[in-house]
Amino acid sequence: AQTVTQSQPEMSVQEAETVTLSCTYDTSESNYYLFWYKQPPSRQMILVIRQEAYKQQNATENRFSVNFQKAAKSFSLKISDSQLGDTAMYFCAFMKRKRGAGGTSYGKLTFGQGTILTVHP
Amino acid sequence: GAGVSQSPSNKVTEKGKDVELRCDPISGHTALYWYRQSLGQGLEFLIYFQGNSAPDKSGLPSDRFSAERTGGSVSTLTIQRTQQEDSAVYLCASSLAARTTDTQYFGPGTRLTVL
Repeated sequence: AQTVTQSQPEMSVQEAETVTLSCTYDTSESNYYLFWYKQPPSRQMILVIRQEAYKQQNATENRFSVNFQKAAKSFSLKISDSQLGDTAMYFCAFMKRKRGAGGTSYGKLTFGQGTILTVHP
Repeated sequence: GAGVSQSPSNKVTEKGKDVELRCDPISGHTALYWYRQSLGQGLEFLIYFQGNSAPDKSGLPSDRFSAERTGGSVSTLTIQRTQQEDSAVYLCASSLAARTTDTQYFGPGTRLTVL
């Protein structure tokens, strides 16, 4: 079974500054995907960024980037130029790449415990 | 609709009663997932539907929990004889298919409170 660990229950950052959220995971799988989801107070989970484990290049989406260290099983999220709208709970998630019947894959997500990020003006 | 919708938004029930939670996925999405978010257990997978295939029920915590998906679209999660430990936010997500390349889009959730 996979486990995902987020060791920072809460983080805070000043507007316009940079913050890094940590995530480690444990798996025996070699093919998988990693995600960061954002959950604002509205409860709606929003995909922030994803990383394919077979890709060495770190994923980047505008102000969001990851530091993926496969050997260390580490997957941190860096938020640059933090904005007030970034205030939310952030979840790291793991998805095993599994092939089912018919060649389709299956997308069950395993989540970490979450990190509450507060951006201060 | 433009996104995944869930109803009701909030549900308060008494211990021992049955509840039904509804999820309307994004039109055309064939994969549908239910997750539960609680203080003690975090976010955990419950059940998954893909097209006409048999659902994966491996995450359901007990036989009091069941789910169905009618016509490959709307899904209902039913909890029988609710217990206080069932109090949580129940999240539904859908994706175009079940490929790991397909982004899961989440609904706003149903907050269930069992008194």
